[in-house]
Amino acid sequence: QKEVEQDPGPLSVPEGAIVSLNCTYSNSAFQYFMWYRQYSRKGPELLMYTYSSGNKEDGRFTAQVDKSSKYISLFIRDSQPSDSATYLCAMTVMDSSYKLIFGSGTRLLVRP
Amino acid sequence: NAGVTQTPKFQVLKTGQSMTLQCAQDMNHNSMYWYRQDPGMGLRLIYYSASEGTTDKGEVPNGYNVSRLNKREFSLRLESAAPSQTSVYFCASSGGYGPTGQFFGPGTRLTVL
Repeated sequence: QKEVEQDPGPLSVPEGAIVSLNCTYSNSAFQYFMWYRQYSRKGPELLMYTYSSGNKEDGRFTAQVDKSSKYISLFIRDSQPSDSATYLCAMTVMDSSYKLIFGSGTRLLVRP
Repeated sequence: NAGVTQTPKFQVLKTGQSMTLQCAQDMNHNSMYWYRQDPGMGLRLIYYSASEGTTDKGEVPNGYNVSRLNKREFSLRLESAAPSQTSVYFCASSGGYGPTGQFFGPGTRLTVL
């Protein structure tokens, strides 16, 4: 079993829809949780970064962490065609290497 | 401020050939990382350097070597390329004061025939 599981999709939604992207994990030592967006043939870019449980909002994006369920989510409100990309979750324990463990990514397509 | 840069962008090798992938960052970050990305596998860590002068193996180090040349530069070497090393390679860096996330370069697309 992988440490971090993520549905590969693709997830296809109409423009303006609310999108929910999710990851589950098995290592209870993970403390920091991140979401990356990767456009086709580009490097991943950091979208959101959260510590511990709770919600964090940034514009149309909300990251949610539920450590008791080992479950994290990224919500995108008023989705746009420009949001079409692969979304990767990542997480890490608090040690000096700051190594990240990534999910395999969910492909999102927002239809105009 | 270019962030993380990688060279080359594309490379085709024959089995058994060697090559070095170059990575440089201008953000004064302490830590640098090499990943490979394959379809359905996500990003897998090959090697990392938590600080200048140190390197450690990641999840998939076999067939690779690394050099942390200085604080800015971290290179990845394939001594004898194999078709299984066909992949997209990403370099990343992160600041040294808490896990603030990693910042990625544009990638190198490598094909080994």
